[in-house]
Amino acid sequence: DGGITQSPKYLFRKEGQNVTLSCEQNLNHDAMYWYRQDPGQGLRLIYYSQIVNDFQKGDIAEGYSVSREKKESFPLTVTSAQKNPTAFYLCASSSPGQARNEQFFGPGTRLTVL
Amino acid sequence: GENVEQHPSTLSVQEGDSAVIKCTYSDSASNYFPWYKQELGKRPQLIIDIRSNVGEKKDQRIAVTLNKTAKHFSLHITETQPEDSAVYFCAANAGGTSYGKLTFGQGTILTVHP
Repeated sequence: DGGITQSPKYLFRKEGQNVTLSCEQNLNHDAMYWYRQDPGQGLRLIYYSQIVNDFQKGDIAEGYSVSREKKESFPLTVTSAQKNPTAFYLCASSSPGQARNEQFFGPGTRLTVL
Repeated sequence: GENVEQHPSTLSVQEGDSAVIKCTYSDSASNYFPWYKQELGKRPQLIIDIRSNVGEKKDQRIAVTLNKTAKHFSLHITETQPEDSAVYFCAANAGGTSYGKLTFGQGTILTVHP
């Protein structure tokens, strides 16, 4: 069963703590993305990776970090430097070599800072 | 970078009416324009997309039109049904590149009243 998964579904964090969100895909996609979703602001790109061991900052990278050690995995760490981390986080993947640049999304992780 | 503006932010229609959502983009090199639907608590899913070499594309009750000169594209839903109620996002790819990086609009909350 192919797809993209995220865990956990809900995550609670105390202020000052780092937390890591998991994203895994078995679609054999080269590219992976992390978005943050807030009400009324659409999907904002945090980081993206086109190939293993390479990634670039998106529009709102401050306070976040990523790694891409394996093609299937693209974890996102929300650090204590992120001033307003409470949000819905979506991971996506795509196969840029295809003419259709469709991005497939995971089910999301809702992060709440207590 | 690319900037995508989406209007309206909310749209309320009666069942059976048509709904139109409009987006403008800033980068004249963009050549791929997808539309995503996100139901409450679910992940965004692609519903239709268009490439810059065509002006219109239809899929049953859904159609998308593109005006490259004016740099705007629109989603048209005919004969709306209550299950069409969701948040709709437009997007444009960045600078005509092929690796799939997308910039999303702010989203439109569509409500279809029975």
